[in-house]
Amino acid sequence: ILNVEQSPQSLHVQEGDSTNFTCSFPSSNFYALHWYRWETAKSPEALFVMTLNGDEKKKGRISATLNTKEGYSYLYIKGSQPEDSATYLCASLGHAGRFGAGTRLTVKP
Amino acid sequence: KAGVTQTPRYLIKTRGQQVTLSCSPISGHRSVSWYQQTPGQGLQFLFEYFSETQRNKGNFPGRFSGRQFSNSRSEMNVSTLELGDSALYLCASSLDQGMNTEAFFGQGTRLTVV
Repeated sequence: ILNVEQSPQSLHVQEGDSTNFTCSFPSSNFYALHWYRWETAKSPEALFVMTLNGDEKKKGRISATLNTKEGYSYLYIKGSQPEDSATYLCASLGHAGRFGAGTRLTVKP
Repeated sequence: KAGVTQTPRYLIKTRGQQVTLSCSPISGHRSVSWYQQTPGQGLQFLFEYFSETQRNKGNFPGRFSGRQFSNSRSEMNVSTLELGDSALYLCASSLDQGMNTEAFFGQGTRLTVV
């Protein structure tokens, strides 16, 4: 993998559903993996900064895992709420700040 | 603590003109990075400055340039504007240059080239 890739591109879930999405990144020359949440008309907001293989981070209902050897990270949202609707971006900041295109999450009440 | 401030928020320019965008980082932050977002694209990295020095540069033509001042404020300049330069330009500041430091984004400057 040469670039940071995120899947799926978009996701529609019902309130209360749990969901997860994937970020794939080049595993060579890895430094750190960042997750951001970007709501419409707002600035991207940092969720997690992850550096170690096997890292797991949690903030409320949102958690993330990191596998630097195979070059992927998962973001999980437990019990999605409408206010979780946003675009979730991941970035591998080893060289020149490579961002994925994001996963657009819509949570329906 | 004030957040990252970008000015102006909106800008309309004509093809061929040049434009300067400004970013004031969070007080105490020494690293500033610039990104471009165009419709359907993810954030594309432009450059990063730390202590007034450009540390990294993305894959953009030489028409895109930047600088950082001693107070860490940063400016980016785009010369000879093209229609394709229409985009949201975001800057992010972080405490240090380290890759494991959290970045804080401004609200962006929406540039429209007509």
